[in-house]
Order: sequence, then C-alpha cells, then structure tokens
Amino acid sequence: RKEVEQDPGPFNVPEGATVAFNCTYSNSASQSFFWYRQDCRKEPKLLMSVYSSGNEDGRFTAQLNRASQYISLLIRDSKLSDSATYLCAVRKAAGNKLTFGGGTRVLVKP
Amino acid sequence: NAGVTQTPKFQVLKTGQSMTLQCAQDMNHEYMSWYRQDPGMGLRLIHYSVGAGITDQGEVPNGYNVSRSTTEDFPLRLLSAAPSQTSVYFCASSTPTVKDTEAFFGQGTRLTVV
Repeated sequence: RKEVEQDPGPFNVPEGATVAFNCTYSNSASQSFFWYRQDCRKEPKLLMSVYSSGNEDGRFTAQLNRASQYISLLIRDSKLSDSATYLCAVRKAAGNKLTFGGGTRVLVKP
Repeated sequence: NAGVTQTPKFQVLKTGQSMTLQCAQDMNHEYMSWYRQDPGMGLRLIHYSVGAGITDQGEVPNGYNVSRSTTEDFPLRLLSAAPSQTSVYFCASSTPTVKDTEAFFGQGTRLTVV
C-alpha cells in the first residue's frame, strides 16, 4: 500500500460547481499535511496547509480526519483557472521528509 | 527573489552518459531534497539533505548520487544514465525546524535518456 494515496481523477467540474476529493495516508505518526497545486508542466506550489480543526482560504476548504487518516479539499464556485492537479503531501515531523500522493486532476469546464 | 533554481531545464542523454543536475537556493534553507515525477506516480523522493555535509536516501535512490558541500547547493548526479531515469526532476527546499513549513520547488529539469 502506498503511504499517501489519491484518486487520480480526472474530476470534470462545471464552472461554478463544487468539487471535493480526499487523500488517505497510512502512517498514523504523520503530523503535517498540505495541499499543493501543480499546473501542467510546472512545479508544485503550496495551496494551503491543513490544520486539525480544518481551515478555509477563500473558495478552498481543507479538512483533516485523523481517526480515518485522510485529508480533504473542497473547492467552491469552481473557476476555469482551478483546472490543475492537486497533490496532497504528508510529513511525519518537523525536518522529516515530505511524502506526496499521486495527485488528483481537476478539469473545470464552461 | 530567485528562490530555488534548477539547471538545465531540459536535457537529452544517451544511455551510459553521466551528468549533474544543479539545484541552488538563496533562502538559507537547511533542508533540500530531490524528487522525480513520472506520469501517475506523483513525486517520489530520491535523496534529501538536512544540512551541509549531511545527506540521506529517499524512496528511489538507486542510480543517483548527491552531495551537500554548502547550504545553497544540492547537485544530483546520474553516474550512468538509463532509459528508466527519463523523468521530470524537481529540487525543493524548506526550513525543517518549523512544523508546517512550506517546501519551495524549482522549475524542474526534464530529462530524456535515449
């Protein structure tokens, strides 16, 4: 089993709709959680960190479920510019290596 | 702000050739790492370093060497390139002492081994 797993998609989303997807992790010692966005043929860039109580950044909401060992990302009012691959990343402790999932591709269509 | 700089951006190698992928950061980050990205595989960690003079293996280290003589630079060496090393390579840096620290990535090196 991979340490961090994601549904590869693609999630085809009408513009203005809401889309949500999860990322599961296998190591219960994981402490830090992140969502990165990667555009085609570009480097990953941090979208948001995921905090225990859940957090929101504009149209993006991230949640952490430690009991079931997954994090989620919800995008409201999807824009065409939200089309990208969303990578989740997990770190066990400060200074420890960052492990990525395979990414979830999101395509927002008019 | 340069951030993390990788060179070259593109490279074609013949099987058996050697080369070094360069990575430099100007943020005084202690932690640097190399990933490779293949279709559907996400980012897989090759090697990482927690500071000058200290390196360690990641998930897929075979066929690659690294060294960290300065805080700024973390080159990745392919000693004898193989077609299986065709991939996109990303270098990243971060500050390990902060729990939720962001990893900053270079723009990537697209390597093709023929």
